[in-house]
Amino acid sequence: GQSLEQPSEVTAVEGAIVQINCTYQTSGFYGLSWYQQHDGGAPTFLSYNALDGLEETGRFSSFLSRSDSYGYLLLQELQMKDSASYFCALNGNQAGTALIFGKGTTLSVSS
Amino acid sequence: ETGVTQTPRHLVMGMTNKKSLKCEQHLGHNAMYWYKQSAKKPLELMFVYSLEERVENNSVPSRFSPECPNSSHLFLHLHTLQPEDSALYLCASSQDNGAGAEAFFGQGTRLTVV
Repeated sequence: GQSLEQPSEVTAVEGAIVQINCTYQTSGFYGLSWYQQHDGGAPTFLSYNALDGLEETGRFSSFLSRSDSYGYLLLQELQMKDSASYFCALNGNQAGTALIFGKGTTLSVSS
Repeated sequence: ETGVTQTPRHLVMGMTNKKSLKCEQHLGHNAMYWYKQSAKKPLELMFVYSLEERVENNSVPSRFSPECPNSSHLFLHLHTLQPEDSALYLCASSQDNGAGAEAFFGQGTRLTVV
């Protein structure tokens, strides 16, 4: 099967940098995705790594190392609005296979 | 309308009731999904439809019955539910090109079983 592990909670202050780690177990996958979900809202796509290395999208960056079964989401210049849950997810490698999500990390940003 | 729309947004039902959740996507995607999100649990994949064919079931109890009449619509029929089925039910769609793709989620239906 597939499984992902990530910390349950992270706290930080405005303007800081925070890294949310994700380790996974899988027999095969296309890539690792990251989603953000605010309270009461729908999960929204943040970033995707198909290859090893760093992907940068504005204040957010994501990293993947297939050899280490590890990835992370890096959030820079934190803002209060970044307080949300962040999920890593495996993109399956078979047609029709959906995203398998980790349990999510709740990020609390304080002033 | 754009994106993925789910109705109703909130639903309260008794254990003997029958109800249906509806999902509609206006993105031209060929794959649709149902997820269950309970408190302090990850998004649990329930059903996958690709090209209107069910691909995965994930051992979901038979009291949940999906239906995908076309690539734009997805239903989840509910009957004789249990209180532990109370959760947020999320629908998502993506373009399934066999290489992994971004999923777009609806706002969800908050279901309470009494």
